[in-house]
Amino acid sequence: EDQVTQSPEALRLQEGESSSLNCSYTVSGLRGLFWYRQDPGKGPEFLFTLYSAGEEKEKERLKATLTKKESFLHITAPKPEDSATYLCAVRAAGSGGSNYKLTFGKGTLLTVNP
Amino acid sequence: NAGVTQTPKFRVLKTGQSMTLLCAQDMNHEYMYWYRQDPGMGLRLIHYSVGEGTTAKGEVPDGYNVSRLKKQNFLLGLESAAPSQTSVYFCASSPAESRETQYFGPGTRLLVL
Repeated sequence: EDQVTQSPEALRLQEGESSSLNCSYTVSGLRGLFWYRQDPGKGPEFLFTLYSAGEEKEKERLKATLTKKESFLHITAPKPEDSATYLCAVRAAGSGGSNYKLTFGKGTLLTVNP
Repeated sequence: NAGVTQTPKFRVLKTGQSMTLLCAQDMNHEYMYWYRQDPGMGLRLIHYSVGEGTTAKGEVPDGYNVSRLKKQNFLLGLESAAPSQTSVYFCASSPAESRETQYFGPGTRLLVL
């Protein structure tokens, strides 16, 4: 069974204090790892897709990296507007319905204080 | 371009009542999905559709039915609501050429008493 574990559950940073969020996964053949941002009361917003170990993607203050067992979302010099829940999801190789299924982690709630 | 929209935003039901949640997308996406999100749990796939007129079961399909009569709409039905179906429901869609990149709607908050 595919599993996604995110840590920490919650993270509180001061503005400008860089840190990383972790997403560890167990999947039978990774077809993609996804990062989403979710603001309170809203739907998840797509950030990145990573497909293979060693791949990196960047967007503003966010950088996502991928190894064979985990992904990191690095946040450099965060601002209060980066406060949100960050979700990680994986898609596994498979047949039939599993091709369309994303397995989500429970998320990391990031709070950035001014 | 509104993206993915969901109706209603919030609803209260009594146990045993029925209702339909509507999802609409204006991006001409082939694939559409219904998820539920519960506290302390990740998003879980209820049903999905790979095209107009097709539907399939996801991870937690029991108690729900879906229909996709038009490409832009995906309906989620609860025939006899139960308190265990209290949740936030999200619809998502993705294009055929990049089906793993899913775009989510704003959600429907459902409370079953």
